[in-house]
Amino acid sequence: AQSVTQPDIHITVSEGASLELRCNYSYGATPYLFWYVQSPGQGLQLLLKYFSGDTLVQGIKGFEAEFKRSQSSFNLRKPSVHWSDAAEYFCAVEPGGYNKLIFGAGTRLAVHP
Amino acid sequence: SAVISQKPSRDICQRGTSLTIQCQVDSQVTMMFWYRQQPGQSLTLIATANQGSEATYESGFVIDKFPISRPNLTFSTLTVSNMSPEDSSIYLCSVEERAGNTIYFGEGSWLTVV
Repeated sequence: AQSVTQPDIHITVSEGASLELRCNYSYGATPYLFWYVQSPGQGLQLLLKYFSGDTLVQGIKGFEAEFKRSQSSFNLRKPSVHWSDAAEYFCAVEPGGYNKLIFGAGTRLAVHP
Repeated sequence: SAVISQKPSRDICQRGTSLTIQCQVDSQVTMMFWYRQQPGQSLTLIATANQGSEATYESGFVIDKFPISRPNLTFSTLTVSNMSPEDSSIYLCSVEERAGNTIYFGEGSWLTVV
């Protein structure tokens, strides 16, 4: 069955430090891949997406993600974290053609000043 | 990107009652979906709202509990019927924007059942 794994439930970083959030998926082919962010009390905002082509994708708020087919991974990165980045981050996959998102469990990011 | 509005944004409901959540999109979209996010959990797809026909439900969700309407290409409703405290969740409407092949979400409707 298709699944998405976000191994880190909670991550704490200092403001200004770099960040990497991990995401692995299980699917026979390359699905569409997404990262969403949910700030406290808010809905989901799309950070970035990967469909095909360049495996390094740029998103909003200074985030980027790299698709690695050999590792079935789509890790999210940011070179310098801001306090406003504290939120929950969800990786999601859309198995091609079905228009349904399968979400990971989420990673809660805390940022220390 | 599509702008998605949900009503109500929050509500506190009595056990045994039903509540209808509305989702309005500012442009015509083919695909509309309803997700549930239980407290501290990730998102789970409830159903795909089909315009002009019955919704397609995912495993574990049934029409009697979560009736869905989709009268046109910009509007859908989800009803949570005969609520119990276990239905306390965030219910999110989402749409697929065909042009960008991307799925966007509304702000969610935060329901607490007491």
